[in-house]
Amino acid sequence: EIVLTQSPDFQSATPKEKVTITCRASQSIGSSLHWYQQKSDQSPKVLIRYASQSLSGVPSRFSGSGSGTDFTLTIDSLEAEDAATYYCHQSSILPWTFGQGTKVDI
Amino acid sequence: QLQLQESGPGLVKPSETLSLTCTVSGASITSSSHYWGWIRQPPGKGLEWISSIYYSGSTYYNPSLESRVTISIDTAKKQFSLKLSSVTASDTAVYYCARLSIGEVDPWGQGTLVTVSS
Repeated sequence: EIVLTQSPDFQSATPKEKVTITCRASQSIGSSLHWYQQKSDQSPKVLIRYASQSLSGVPSRFSGSGSGTDFTLTIDSLEAEDAATYYCHQSSILPWTFGQGTKVDI
Repeated sequence: QLQLQESGPGLVKPSETLSLTCTVSGASITSSSHYWGWIRQPPGKGLEWISSIYYSGSTYYNPSLESRVTISIDTAKKQFSLKLSSVTASDTAVYYCARLSIGEVDPWGQGTLVTVSS
């Protein structure tokens, strides 16, 4: 199975700061990498699909990049409402797998 | 607007079978573009994909759970279900039902906590 390793596990940041979360896959997954935001006691919500495709309703400060094995989620100008745990997810090869999560504290 | 709602017991005894149902509203469960599935999250931990099913009945399972999992779909009732047998405390988790494309998972149900305890 493909292992996704996120870094860092935890990030403390201040409002308006730029935050970068990385996700590394144990083998190439092309662009089949998606990012989710999970706020406390809520279900995850998709932010970015296929590494870099933005989604309707997601603030433009969220962006994604990468392909192959290395991917990045960037949050430009962090806002208080962005406090959450962020997960990457690969849909290239079954079983689908998720990263361990990155908790962003503001 | 598509909504998914999990239902089922919140407490299951060890060695018994966990059974959950997800009811789909606001969209067709027979969409040719999507699968339906289950993902779980142990308390304070990460996400684990369990199983997916297509409206035609094609099924996909996580090998780590395959021997204990059965997923099924009832298109007439707009429901799909999960059964996990021989549960132990390690199966305690929030279980989410969700719509899956060949890519992302969206949307997710609100999740239901299932505790395995005697």
